Amino acid sequence: QQPVQSPQAVILREGEDAVINCSSSKALYSVHWYRQKHGEAPVFLMILLKGGEQKGHDKISASFNEKKQQSSLYLTASQLSYSGTYFCGTGGGNQGGKLIFGQGTELSVKP
Amino acid sequence: GAVVSQHPSRVICKSGTSVKIECRSLDFQATTMFWYRQFPKQSLMLMATSNEGSKATYEQGVEKDKFLINHASLTLSTLTVTSAHPEDSSFYICSAGTGRTEAFFGQGTRLTVV
Repeated sequence: QQPVQSPQAVILREGEDAVINCSSSKALYSVHWYRQKHGEAPVFLMILLKGGEQKGHDKISASFNEKKQQSSLYLTASQLSYSGTYFCGTGGGNQGGKLIFGQGTELSVKP
Repeated sequence: GAVVSQHPSRVICKSGTSVKIECRSLDFQATTMFWYRQFPKQSLMLMATSNEGSKATYEQGVEKDKFLINHASLTLSTLTVTSAHPEDSSFYICSAGTGRTEAFFGQGTRLTVV
């Protein structure tokens, strides 16, 4: 079952904040966040492995609410380099690295 | 981090021919690799799970006779698109990893069938 991401697209001005949500109808074992630039492979941002876990580096962080079966990615003080399509990938505990990706959220940061 | 190398990065082939894409783990042994396909402006869709020394597991709707996967060693998995048609044109990407670590992606292969 493909996780559902929202919003589908967002346009920001440099310095603004954004939140991208990822919801699943199935129990989550892990949530992986990636950013993909056009024509390139996805770039790993972070992985969250257990309920309530929060992670972050620089101005990008994420939370994982196991009970609600959802994760959120927070981008603060956005930079032009944050532009791209963000995907969440959900993994099953007994399925190794098999990830099912959401449909993606296209983020555009304007000067 | 671990490095996964995918080759070729771009390939153009004629309709009806076959194309082989290689995925190598350069500095670690990958007992399992995953093959994804991504159409323009769409998400990565898992095609199959490639297991070293055994048959691949295909996702529903993926033709196993058309997309041949071989995982002959712990560092190499190949995807062969047989009798390619224009609708097979897509971005194909492999990955390796476990559920508790990041998935390491290859650079992807842009296949264009003319």
